[in-house]
This record gives sequence, structure tokens and C-alpha cells, in this order.
Amino acid sequence: KAGVTQTPRYLIKTRGQQVTLSCSPISGHRSVSWYQQTPGQGLQFLFEYFSETQRNKGNFPGRFSGRQFSNSRSEMNVSTLELGDSALYLCASSLAGLAGETQYFGPGTRLLVL
Amino acid sequence: EDQVTQSPEALRLQEGESSSLNCSYTVSGLRGLFWYRQDPGKGPEFLFTLYSAGEEKEKERLKATLTKKESFLHITAPKPEDSATYLCAVYGNRDDKIIFGKGTRLHILP
Repeated sequence: KAGVTQTPRYLIKTRGQQVTLSCSPISGHRSVSWYQQTPGQGLQFLFEYFSETQRNKGNFPGRFSGRQFSNSRSEMNVSTLELGDSALYLCASSLAGLAGETQYFGPGTRLLVL
Repeated sequence: EDQVTQSPEALRLQEGESSSLNCSYTVSGLRGLFWYRQDPGKGPEFLFTLYSAGEEKEKERLKATLTKKESFLHITAPKPEDSATYLCAVYGNRDDKIIFGKGTRLHILP
């Protein structure tokens, strides 16, 4: 069974631009969650989507948004990029959500904001 | 607010030298405690899920245990390939999101 895939793997943007990241979950998984990982803050939860609906949201500004399509693929968008948005962005999928479920992570997209 | 604290931040061991990593947590209504392994430049790899105090799970040289306040990841006779960052995370009823600890960077010397 194929794992979680993320595209692109690397991205360089400048301040003020926007970026869209993509995540394809494991086949049959309906939940996709997104995380930001930085050396200082560690892994932080952004939001979770299930059946095209956002169910949970972390403590991030509204510049961070996402959506999920009917095939469970998900996109994350960051608008008006700031230097502090440089991070590894990870997505994870699971069968039914966050509650007690094992999350299977993708390899991540490394974003550098100049 | 739910919290997870991992200790130590970093640990260097000789090959074969057993040790334990600690994950202390504060969560309202624990619905799962997770251990992950992360290699540099890669996404976290699932190791264990624990649901209730007293539960234990094993996989090769790793054993995870859970009490009402903390979890331990015991590493028996580690090998250099066990070198990685080990992450602990919890999911509780109150915050409705997964909270990760900062991780323990483990380095096994041959």
C-alpha cells in the first residue's frame, strides 16, 4: 500500500508571496491533518480535515488555511508569507481522525521563505 | 491546556547500553499517547499507541509503558541504527488536537 505523499518536497518563496502545498493520503484514509515543524517550536498541529470538512484547528493565524477534496487529497495554503513561516510542513493521514488513531506521516515539504 | 514534556533533550549511549526516554504529560481525558521515531529530513514514523495506564507494548528493542502521568520508552541493547529523534504525543478530550513534545535526540555510538 502506498504511503502518504507530499508535493513539492522543497520550496523557496519570498516574503509576501503565497504558497500551496499538497498531500495525498493513504488509500482509504479519510482524515488528513497538517503540522508545522521548526527547530524552536517542534511539531505543532495546524488543522485536520475529514470528509472535506475542517474538524479541528490549532493556534495559527488565518493566513494558514486548507481544504480537502472528495478523493481525500488535501491542500494547505499560506498567504502573505513571513520569514518565520520557514519550516518543514508535514501532513498525516488516518482512517477516521485524531482521537486515538495512528497518524501516518508523509515525508514533508520544506519551505524556505527569503 | 494539555502539555507534553520530554526528557532528556538529547542522549548519547554506547551500543548495547540500555536506557529509557521519558514523556510527562498533562491532558484532560487521555484518548491516546503516541510514540514516533523521526530520522533527519523525514516524516515521523509510527512506533506505538498506548491508551490506558498500565499498558505496555513492545517492538524489537523498544518497549513503551504508560502511567497516569508519564510514559517511558525503554531501549534495550540499542544499535547505531536506533539513532533518531523520538517524539511523544498525546490526544485528549479537552483540546481536541494532538500535542507533541519537543522530542529526545538519541545517538548510539558504535
